[in-house]
Amino acid sequence: EDQVTQSPEALRLQEGESSSLNCSYTVSGLRGLFWYRQDPGKGPEFLFTLYSAGEEKEKERLKATLTKKESFLHITAPKPEDSATYLCAVTKAAGNKLTFGGGTRVLVKP
Amino acid sequence: ETGVTQTPRHLVMGMTNKKSLKCEQHLGHNAMYWYKQSAKKPLELMFVYSLEERVENNSVPSRFSPECPNSSHLFLHLHTLQPEDSALYLCASSQEFWTGFGAEAFFGQGTRLTVV
Repeated sequence: EDQVTQSPEALRLQEGESSSLNCSYTVSGLRGLFWYRQDPGKGPEFLFTLYSAGEEKEKERLKATLTKKESFLHITAPKPEDSATYLCAVTKAAGNKLTFGGGTRVLVKP
Repeated sequence: ETGVTQTPRHLVMGMTNKKSLKCEQHLGHNAMYWYKQSAKKPLELMFVYSLEERVENNSVPSRFSPECPNSSHLFLHLHTLQPEDSALYLCASSQEFWTGFGAEAFFGQGTRLTVV
């Protein structure tokens, strides 16, 4: 059975304290891996797509990387506005339906 | 503004009521989706429409009935719901469904549904 597991479930950081979020997956025929950010009471906001092992994407303080078994979302020198739940999702070869992990809640304190 | 608009934002309904959720996308996408987000659970895919045809129904109870009259609009009709159906219902769209690429889905803000 396809599984997407995110860790940790929650992460408390001081402003400026860099850290990494993990998304591990067991999916046959991975087509793409996606990172989303979700603020409370809102829909997920698209961040990155990664298609192949070794690929990296960056956006401001966020950097996503992909291996054959997992993806990392690195947050460099976070600010309080980076506080959110970060969701990882995957698609398989047939059809673009997203299978989501449980998310990591990030709280960045000033 | 993501280009995907959901109404209403909040809905409280009794178990015997009938209501509908509406989603509209202004992105020119060909695929639309309904997802359910419950507390402490990952986002769950409910339905997929590609070019107005339903291509996926993830074992969703018949008290949820989707409708896609055109590629810009998606509805979720609700009837005789249970309290455990209370959740955030999210609509999303993406460029295509079958290609496997360009799968970035853009989400609406969701409808917070409470069944009493």
